[in-house]
Amino acid sequence: DVKVTQSSRYLVKRTGEKVFLECVQDMDHENMFWYRQDPGLGLRLIYFSYDVKMKEKGDIPEGYSVSREKKERFSLILESASTNQTSMYLCASSLDGQLLSPLHFGNGTRLTVT
Amino acid sequence: DAKTTQPTSMDCAEGRAANLPCNHSTISGNEYVYWYRQIHSQGPQYIIHGLKNNETNEMASLIITEDRKSSTLILPHATLRDTAVYYCIVVKEYGNKLVFGAGIILRVKS
Repeated sequence: DVKVTQSSRYLVKRTGEKVFLECVQDMDHENMFWYRQDPGLGLRLIYFSYDVKMKEKGDIPEGYSVSREKKERFSLILESASTNQTSMYLCASSLDGQLLSPLHFGNGTRLTVT
Repeated sequence: DAKTTQPTSMDCAEGRAANLPCNHSTISGNEYVYWYRQIHSQGPQYIIHGLKNNETNEMASLIITEDRKSSTLILPHATLRDTAVYYCIVVKEYGNKLVFGAGIILRVKS
């Protein structure tokens, strides 16, 4: 089974801090994604990557950046955390370059910014 | 990508079939229908997908109408562990992202 592992289940940070959310997948998948999930808004795509060192903006990239130095690892960075970034963050991966490959999700990181 | 419409919630008795409807009336010829579910405190899980033919796997069946404007996900023998939010998503063949709507809350009751 594909495993997508997010480094933290719960995280509490202060406003203005730089925050790193880490995600690792173990099945040599090409694509990786970061979503955030908020009540009433569903899942929204922040960034995705279809190859090492490649990245594409999703629907809500403002306030975020990403890094993919190795195929298995995709990091989401909050340069200066704000309270409106309090959310559930979900990482996902898929096999190849086409979106038809099913996404495999991690169990999420619940980030609270105070 | 085409939008989908799902009821807000539905209940199903344990052991019975759960039939979850989805409308996608603006779907185009190169768009696929995908279903995911999200159990509480977990990430979404892929269930099944299809283009125009009905599909079945170990988890569920997907029935797509002939005009492809709607589909139904069938869980043949629902269990309490199937209680979750189910998302119906339409995806272009060479699209570059998935858009998850609100989904439908399925409550399986004993």
